[in-house]
Amino acid sequence: KQEVTQIPAALSVPEGENLVLNCSFTDSAIYNLQWFRQDPGKGLTSLLLIQSSQREQTSGRLNASLDKSSGRSTLYIAASQPGDSATYLCAALPDKLIFGTGTRLQVFP
Amino acid sequence: NAGVMQNPRHLVRRRGQEARLRCSPMKGHSHVYWYRQLPEEGLKFMVYLQKENIIDESGMPKERFSAEFPKEGPSILRIQQVVRGDSAAYFCASSPLRGENTEAFFGQGTRLTVV
Repeated sequence: KQEVTQIPAALSVPEGENLVLNCSFTDSAIYNLQWFRQDPGKGLTSLLLIQSSQREQTSGRLNASLDKSSGRSTLYIAASQPGDSATYLCAALPDKLIFGTGTRLQVFP
Repeated sequence: NAGVMQNPRHLVRRRGQEARLRCSPMKGHSHVYWYRQLPEEGLKFMVYLQKENIIDESGMPKERFSAEFPKEGPSILRIQQVVRGDSAAYFCASSPLRGENTEAFFGQGTRLTVV
């Protein structure tokens, strides 16, 4: 049974810092690893999708890596901004998305 | 191309009533997933459907909950005889494929409150 864990559960940083959010999964037999952002009271916005054959994906200030053999993915946020404040969720896709519990990020000016 | 549309956005039901939640997938998407998010908790998988078929309902409670995705029209998540514990945000996601290259897109959710 696939289990997904995210560390840290919460993070509060000053603006401008570079951040690393961690995601680990127990079963390496996945198709994809997808990162989402969720703002309070809102839905989920897809940030990055890493296919199992890929090692990383980049979009703007975001970079996500995937190491299937160790069951880990990392989301790197460069030069954080207050607008980045949200909950970040990773999800592994064996046959359906299995979510971690998220990292609640607060970036203060 | 509109995103995944869920309605209603907010739904209030009294205990014992029925709740019907609708999800229209993105155009061209034939795979629909339903998730439930309890306050301060993560998203829990409920059911995975393709057109006219339930593929995986391993996350659905055994009683009172049902889902369908007909050939025409939106997917429906139906909760009969709602109880307070059903209060949650219900999210729908859709994708065009299954497996690798499958990027899922989520709707804004339906927030169900049972009073």
